[in-house]
Amino acid sequence: DAGITQSPRYKITETGRQVTLMCHQTWSHSYMFWYRQDLGHGLRLIYYSAAADITDKGEVPDGYVVSRSKTENFPLTLESATRSQTSVYFCASSEWSSGTYNEQFFGPGTRLTVL
Amino acid sequence: SQQGEEDPQALSIQEGENATMNCSYKTSINNLQWYRQNSGRGLVHLILIRSNEREKHSGRLRVTLDTSKKSSSLLITASRAADTASYFCATTGGSYIPTFGRGTSLIVHP
Repeated sequence: DAGITQSPRYKITETGRQVTLMCHQTWSHSYMFWYRQDLGHGLRLIYYSAAADITDKGEVPDGYVVSRSKTENFPLTLESATRSQTSVYFCASSEWSSGTYNEQFFGPGTRLTVL
Repeated sequence: SQQGEEDPQALSIQEGENATMNCSYKTSINNLQWYRQNSGRGLVHLILIRSNEREKHSGRLRVTLDTSKKSSSLLITASRAADTASYFCATTGGSYIPTFGRGTSLIVHP
């Protein structure tokens, strides 16, 4: 199916564990983004990627690692999960034209709870 | 840090009424986008307005942009219960990375 998918949709883990959230898009968009959404903060950008093997930090990158070996995949890893990383995580993709980003397409989100 | 800030934070109206929400921002932008988020879902793009545009329409949606006041408004006409959602503005400036506000929660009562 065409679109952008995230897995898992729900995850419960413990403090100190490593967790990887997966994101896959079928449009071959160049740009991909990871956001976290918390009450009172809206969406905050964690990392983004302009192409395979090109990634850059967003507003809140500490404690997260990303990679992008293939255009369609953009996994987000929490190296040692902390309770403050309990959140809903959204992946998005976009294309670039006419000197700006086009609309972003969002995945359904992953609700992560760190105990 | 948030660039756009939506106002009001929450809005409750009756079906058939118009809903207006505003977005203010601090620095110059290239474009501004509005998104909708239904409960438990990802965001869905509604409309993009560029800095050299003043107004855009899409169905029951009307977006205005006033760059002199650094503000935008989203008007939903003849609201329906299905319009119940959170609405976010996202501004894109010199870094070209969209920055989202905290959103306006809209409830439309049948």
